[in-house]
Order: sequence, then C-alpha cells, then structure tokens
Amino acid sequence: GESVGLHLPTLSVQEGDNSIINCAYSNSASDYFIWYKQESGKGPQFIIDIRSNMDKRQGQRVTVLLNKTVKHLSLQIAATQPGDSAVYFCAETAYNNNDMRFGAGTRLTVKP
Amino acid sequence: GAVVSQHPSRVICKSGTSVKIECRSLDFQATTMFWYRQFPKKSLMLMATSNEGSKATYEQGVEKDKFLINHASLTLSTLTVTSAHPEDSSFYICSAREDRRSFSGNTIYFGEGSWLTVV
Repeated sequence: GESVGLHLPTLSVQEGDNSIINCAYSNSASDYFIWYKQESGKGPQFIIDIRSNMDKRQGQRVTVLLNKTVKHLSLQIAATQPGDSAVYFCAETAYNNNDMRFGAGTRLTVKP
Repeated sequence: GAVVSQHPSRVICKSGTSVKIECRSLDFQATTMFWYRQFPKKSLMLMATSNEGSKATYEQGVEKDKFLINHASLTLSTLTVTSAHPEDSSFYICSAREDRRSFSGNTIYFGEGSWLTVV
C-alpha cells in the first residue's frame, strides 16, 4: 500500500553482484503486481509484471517472485550494473480495477 | 513500447494563479489515467483516478476543487492546480492504463512527471 511520509530504505551492492529488492503488499485482493524503476527527476519506468496465478516471472536480467501466502513480492536483478541505480517501487492492483497503490520504494545504489 | 507524454515538464507559477498539466497517451487509448504526487525521497501518492467521459475519483484528503481533472478523450487527461500556493510545489506524475483485453493484464505506463514550483 501507500507509504507516504516514510523515508526510502536503501540497498547498496557491488557492480556485478545480484540484487534482491523486497516489497510487502497490503491488499489480499490484489492480483496484479508491477515493478517500476524511477531515476532521479523522472517518471517511473515499467520493469516487469506478474499476475497472481504465477509465482515467478523472468525478464531480461530481472526476475519477479510472488508469495501470496505472506503477501510478499521481490525483484531480483542479475549482474547489477551502475545504470541500475535508481529507486524501485512495487505496485499492486486488481485486474480490471482502477486502483494502483505503490509501496514505499527502495533506493538501489550500485558501487563500481 | 507504449509512451505517455506529460507537459510541461517544469513550470513555475505565482501564488494564486492556476496551472494546467497535460497527460497524453501517444500510441494507445486509455480510458483510465491516474494522477500522483511525489515529494522528494518519498513514494508516489495517488491523488485521483481520471475516467474518460466521467468525473474523476479523488482519494481521501485530496481537494477536488483545487485539483481539477478533466479526461476529455481517450488519450488526454489534464490536471489543473487552481489558486496555487507554495505548498502545492511538488512533482506531479500521471499514468495511463492501456485499454486492451489481454489475459496478461492492463499495463500502466507513466509520464515523465511535471515539476511545479509555486513562488
């Protein structure tokens, strides 16, 4: 759900390492989840999505895992690069629902 | 991929004036668009859901008379901040839900955001 007012948690990784960003969602009725990447001063950029009938989906260098039992979502980035440095948000919604809510976000910093 | 254009990207206005921000889906139709506000180092806060051809749905605590939303076509939604005050200064972001009947879900795409500074 929304977390207005909270400071962003941070994750710092070495270039080339894998990154795991976690997100806890709030609405058990949500059945569609999206990860977004937001660079400083820009709008969020779609990375990958997953429906609730799946527990894993892979893209290019990214994997999203969904655990509906504990309402947890994670984004794995393989071989993290400096260009991956950004804030990552998970978003939850229900298919055909008008509502999309964002998590607090995580700031990923990649050290060269 | 799908593109959402937001304009202006930056605007400075005087207190008491109104400013309009446009959100356009460039290569897809969007019955539903969303307006968010984001403070520095914070998450996106949903302000309202804009529905083509009908009134917007505002989140609790968002003044609908201050933040006027018009969704006149399937590709354009506008947010007008009326009688702007310095505390309205913020980063405003729109998003658009692509209208398509797809089992994979209706993907939502974001604009690049608009920085509003009220002086």
